[in-house]
Amino acid sequence: EVQLVETGGGLVQPGNSLKLSCATSGFTFSTAWMNWIRQTPGKRLEWLAQIEDKSNNYFISYLESVKGRFTISRDDSKSSVYLQMNNLKEEDTAIYYCTPLNNSGDYFDYWGQGVMVTVSS
Amino acid sequence: DIVLTQSPALAVSLGQRATISCKTNQNVDYYGNSYMHWYQQKPGQQPKLLIYLASNLASGIPARFSGRGSGTDFTLTIDPVEADDTATYYCQQSRNLPFMNTFGAGTKLELK
Repeated sequence: EVQLVETGGGLVQPGNSLKLSCATSGFTFSTAWMNWIRQTPGKRLEWLAQIEDKSNNYFISYLESVKGRFTISRDDSKSSVYLQMNNLKEEDTAIYYCTPLNNSGDYFDYWGQGVMVTVSS
Repeated sequence: DIVLTQSPALAVSLGQRATISCKTNQNVDYYGNSYMHWYQQKPGQQPKLLIYLASNLASGIPARFSGRGSGTDFTLTIDPVEADDTATYYCQQSRNLPFMNTFGAGTKLELK
């Protein structure tokens, strides 16, 4: 059974940092391209970042609006993916999900339960 | 940039057919596949994949759900609608990568 468990969320003031973690099991993490997607309070789903696998040199892509503030990383030995978020803004308030990409069609067939991040003074 | 357009809401009666549409401003077909996918999200839950590559039923999804379309026009059909189907349905394109503007805004399905 595929499991994805996001942790590390919480309430943070604007300008501060937070690091999200996603622990996974039930699939071959080392070859998975991992993604972070968030859902805003208005229920909009927004893709944030992707990190490919070792065979693709861990190539990374970001949504333009978070480039330079967010950093995705992975630890294949722990089957985990991370999202370091710096200089947080109120508009970063959302539920954050990690999900592996299904490369056969570039869709997301497994999702974690998500972790809430609230940016507010 | 690619834009996905969904109607905000749809109300149907139990046992009737629900047809949810998703239109794109760019063709999402490529080498015989339509890179359009559908997700269901119930309140307080994560999204769940229903349909991938326009018409393929994801694992464990009942046959009441079906998808069709190509190019720029896609539909998700639920027939017959059951009470448990009240949720928000999102379309997602993966023709243009990376995934900027990959999701539609969602259609909230309600019962009459």
